[in-house]
Amino acid sequence: DAGITQSPRYKITETGRQVTLMCHQTWSHSYMFWYRQDLGHGLRLIYYSAAADITDKGEVPDGYVVSRSKTENFPLTLESATRSQTSVYFCASSDSDNSPLHFGNGTRLTVT
Amino acid sequence: AQSVSQHNHHVILSEAASLELGCNYSYGGTVNLFWYVQYPGQHLQLLLKYFSGDPLVKGIKGFEAEFIKSKFSFNLRKPSVQWSDTAEYFCAVNAWVDNTGKLIFGQGTTLQVKP
Repeated sequence: DAGITQSPRYKITETGRQVTLMCHQTWSHSYMFWYRQDLGHGLRLIYYSAAADITDKGEVPDGYVVSRSKTENFPLTLESATRSQTSVYFCASSDSDNSPLHFGNGTRLTVT
Repeated sequence: AQSVSQHNHHVILSEAASLELGCNYSYGGTVNLFWYVQYPGQHLQLLLKYFSGDPLVKGIKGFEAEFIKSKFSFNLRKPSVQWSDTAEYFCAVNAWVDNTGKLIFGQGTTLQVKP
């Protein structure tokens, strides 16, 4: 089925470990985004990508790394996880930078 | 920097009550405006959007929003809420800076509708 899928749905990791959250979309949308959702902060943009091999920082990029070697994939890596990165992470895509976003189901990450 | 403010963090209503959720943004240039809804345990879905034209926008499930440019506001309304409207609602603004649009979300408003 066409759509946007995130994996894993749930992840528990320890402080200092590297962890990668996966995002895959089947629409061939140019734009992809990573948001984190925290109580009291709503959704905050971590990184976004306008096309393959083009990425840019959002509001809260520190501690995160992204890559976009293929249009359909946009993995998010926490290089050395910290407890403050415990959050729900949403990947989204759109076909232009002013079109509505299509969201994945989210990854709930807990850093212990 | 651009920002989006939702004044009501938690709203509790009885069924059939009218709803209005406030949203204000800080940006003087061209904006595209959105309301997203997140039902419990689900991902965000688009409720309605405003790009241009009639400032009163109608969305799904009986929701509407009015863009008032002079007040930098885009409030969400529904005349009569249902229990199934219990969800979190996010206002979002796409502000164009340096020919790039970045979608900025408000903090969200949790709506609880009592049956």
